[in-house]
Amino acid sequence: DAGVIQSPRHEVTEMGQEVTLRCKPISGHDYLFWYRQTMMRGLELLIYFNNNVPIDDSGMPEDRFSAKMPNASFSTLKIQPSEPRDSAVYFCASSPFRGTGELFFGEGSRLTVL
Amino acid sequence: EDQVTQSPEALRLQEGESSSLNCSYTVSGLRGLFWYRQDPGKGPEFLFTLYSAGEEKEKERLKATLTKKESFLHITAPKPEDSATYLCAVHGGGSNYKLTFGKGTLLTVNP
Repeated sequence: DAGVIQSPRHEVTEMGQEVTLRCKPISGHDYLFWYRQTMMRGLELLIYFNNNVPIDDSGMPEDRFSAKMPNASFSTLKIQPSEPRDSAVYFCASSPFRGTGELFFGEGSRLTVL
Repeated sequence: EDQVTQSPEALRLQEGESSSLNCSYTVSGLRGLFWYRQDPGKGPEFLFTLYSAGEEKEKERLKATLTKKESFLHITAPKPEDSATYLCAVHGGGSNYKLTFGKGTLLTVNP
């Protein structure tokens, strides 16, 4: 299997622009997670889905962030409008089973907002 | 709210010099504690799951142990390829599947 695939790997944008990050989970995995990583705060869970349904979005910073999972093989995280404080590495991860803690992470999307 | 604190923040070892990394946690009803390894520019890679105090897991030069308040990742005779950031995470009580991560320990093993 190719693993979790994220795009783009790097994104540089101007403040106020819309940013869309994309994720293709591993086939057959029922859980999909979006995490954000910064030096200051470490890895933070933004939202997770189970069978394409959002279960916990309490980590989404504010209304500027939204996430969708229209089908089992695709998810997006959108930031509109973007701000410099959104600069971070965004990871998507998928997991086949609840509770084992074995998440399979993608290589991340590094976002820089100028 | 679940909390995870890892120490030290950074650790530099000589090849062959054994040591331990610490993960202290506060959680309501531990459902699992997990260790991950993260290489620069990569996503975290799963290493171990520990479910209850007294449990131990081993993989090559790494051994993870768990008590009711903390977990240790013991590294025996490390090699330069063990250099990475090691992350600890907990899954607390409740019905959701939220993993809370610590900030990690950056391990550097010099040849």
